[in-house]
Amino acid sequence: DTEVTQTPKHLVMGMTNKKSLKCEQHMGHRAMYWYKQKAKKPPELMFVYSYEKLSINESVPSRFSPECPNSSLLNLHLHALQPEDSALYLCASSWPGTHNEQFFGPGTRLTVL
Amino acid sequence: DQQVKQNSPSLSVQEGRISILNCDYTNSMFDYFLWYKKYPAEGPTFLISISSIKDKNEDGRFTVFLNKSAKHLSLHIVPSQPGDSAVYFCAMKSSGNTPLVFGKGTRLSVIA
Repeated sequence: DTEVTQTPKHLVMGMTNKKSLKCEQHMGHRAMYWYKQKAKKPPELMFVYSYEKLSINESVPSRFSPECPNSSLLNLHLHALQPEDSALYLCASSWPGTHNEQFFGPGTRLTVL
Repeated sequence: DQQVKQNSPSLSVQEGRISILNCDYTNSMFDYFLWYKKYPAEGPTFLISISSIKDKNEDGRFTVFLNKSAKHLSLHIVPSQPGDSAVYFCAMKSSGNTPLVFGKGTRLSVIA
């Protein structure tokens, strides 16, 4: 299994809603990532988990809250988002370390109204 | 300041010819380099990678070249096929559990 799966595929939420994005991989990878991608821009790193511990937080606002319940799962909890947070949210996984490519999921297209 | 630059936002190539995508970087600490392909509304798909100890890596129709002295990375696709039409991102990282830094992407259109 060389897949990273993400649910839901699309999400529309209001600014007062609380929702969660989910990501799952069964490749045995021990590093997992959240990226945000706006149209015509490269993916921007948000968070990195290594061995289920948060290792990088790229100064992401607290309205985004990551969680790694186990080595296969990664969640992103969303609360009080702004319309400018609308984007494609990508999850990726890899082996930790240098020479290991990241495998990306298909993304969740988030629209904040 | 952009550490990774893809100076051509778009490229058009005829089917069967060679596509050459380029990427320049400034950080001499980068030692692992990757190319990803992305279709609209999908996540990036890993294509090919190269470490800094090599200057060329080949996988089928895809070849990646690394010129460390010029801090230049390129991807050659030959022969190009219409299904190769997508946005191509170069990405790179330094050693350890460090983040990938992406270029802005080049949109490749292969015309039949």
